[in-house]
Amino acid sequence: DVKVTQSSRYLVKRTGEKVFLECVQDMDHENMFWYRQDPGLGLRLIYFSYDVKMKEKGDIPEGYSVSREKKERFSLILESASTNQTSMYLCASESALSYNEQFFGPGTRLTVL
Amino acid sequence: QQQVKQSPQSLIVQKGGISIINCAYENTAFDYFPWYQQFPGKGPALLIAIRPDVSEKKEGRFTISFNKSAKQFSLHIMDSQPGDSATYFCAASPNFNKFYFGSGTKLNVKP
Repeated sequence: DVKVTQSSRYLVKRTGEKVFLECVQDMDHENMFWYRQDPGLGLRLIYFSYDVKMKEKGDIPEGYSVSREKKERFSLILESASTNQTSMYLCASESALSYNEQFFGPGTRLTVL
Repeated sequence: QQQVKQSPQSLIVQKGGISIINCAYENTAFDYFPWYQQFPGKGPALLIAIRPDVSEKKEGRFTISFNKSAKQFSLHIMDSQPGDSATYFCAASPNFNKFYFGSGTKLNVKP
């Protein structure tokens, strides 16, 4: 079974703090994604990566950056957290051999006070 | 601007009934249409998917109907069960990897 794990289930930070969200997958997938999930808006893509050290902007990259130093790990960074970044953050991974399925982690509920 | 429009936002169905969730899109470059199911506290998981060369795909109680000319697709859950209570997301993809998700439908199947 593919397993995608996220470092925290719940996180509370203060405005202006730097926040790191970590994601690890154990299936040697090439592609990894960060989404945020908000009620009524569904899942929106923040950043994705096709390979180590490669990254592409998604639909809402403002205020976020990412890092992929190892194939299995994809980090989302909030340089200076703001209250409008309070959300559920979901990481996903996918094999580049076929684009049939993205496997999601359980999510990190981030609250910025 | 939402690339994939999903309705309804929430749905209540009696056990044994049919649940229907609809999605519409505009981008004719979309060529892959998956549905994801999400239970509380979990990430979404792939439920069923279709490509535009077929009009229907069935897996057990779950069926996708696809209307290419209308740019619409829908999920039908036959004989809905309380265990089907979850949030359902439709999605569409124009190429490898990038998905556009709908806004989600929260389904509640009453026993």
